[in-house]
Amino acid sequence: GEDVEQSLFLSVREGDSSVINCTYTDSSSTYLYWYKQEPGAGLQLLTYIFSNMDMKQDQRLTVLLNKKDKHLSLRIADTQTGDSAIYFCAESLTSGTYKYIFGTGTRLKVLA
Amino acid sequence: NAGVMQNPRHLVRRRGQEARLRCSPMKGHSHVYWYRQLPEEGLKFMVYLQKENIIDESGMPKERFSAEFPKEGPSILRIQQVVRGDSAAYFCASSIEKYYGYTFGSGTRLTVV
Repeated sequence: GEDVEQSLFLSVREGDSSVINCTYTDSSSTYLYWYKQEPGAGLQLLTYIFSNMDMKQDQRLTVLLNKKDKHLSLRIADTQTGDSAIYFCAESLTSGTYKYIFGTGTRLKVLA
Repeated sequence: NAGVMQNPRHLVRRRGQEARLRCSPMKGHSHVYWYRQLPEEGLKFMVYLQKENIIDESGMPKERFSAEFPKEGPSILRIQQVVRGDSAAYFCASSIEKYYGYTFGSGTRLTVV
């Protein structure tokens, strides 16, 4: 089946690291994505990882993929108040139409 | 390149009216996807279209909803006889090929009163 799960809330202090977790079920996924959504706004692609990779780093963002456990995480170093938003992980299915399956989103709140 | 353009940004309709949501894909993109985000939820796939063809509409309600992507002009998502449960943000995304990552528009927020 197709399902992507995330915890709903995360609260961190400014300057700390944030780790947002995601589990997925479709083993044929090719790409896994992290999107950021600010209130009332669209989705901003933050980063993505190909399913044959274990890790990808992009400035303050680090993505870790554990394919065996179907677990994806996004680490934000030195979290800032501007990082407060909802973070969605998504998997892109390899079969058929390559539609994305999104998680329910993790609401990150950064405390000053 | 202006990106994926959706309009209107906000749309208010009374119950029973029709809602028409428009999406202009990025230049050169012939693949369009529509997603719906209900309040406090993630995005759910609705329909995938290529120029003049519906490829996958497995996520779209069977009644009242339709989508098109004509040879010329934007893709249209049409909701007839709207009900309160249709209130949501509707996002469009486009890609150059179906296996390439796609770019999302800013969404249309539909409110049914």
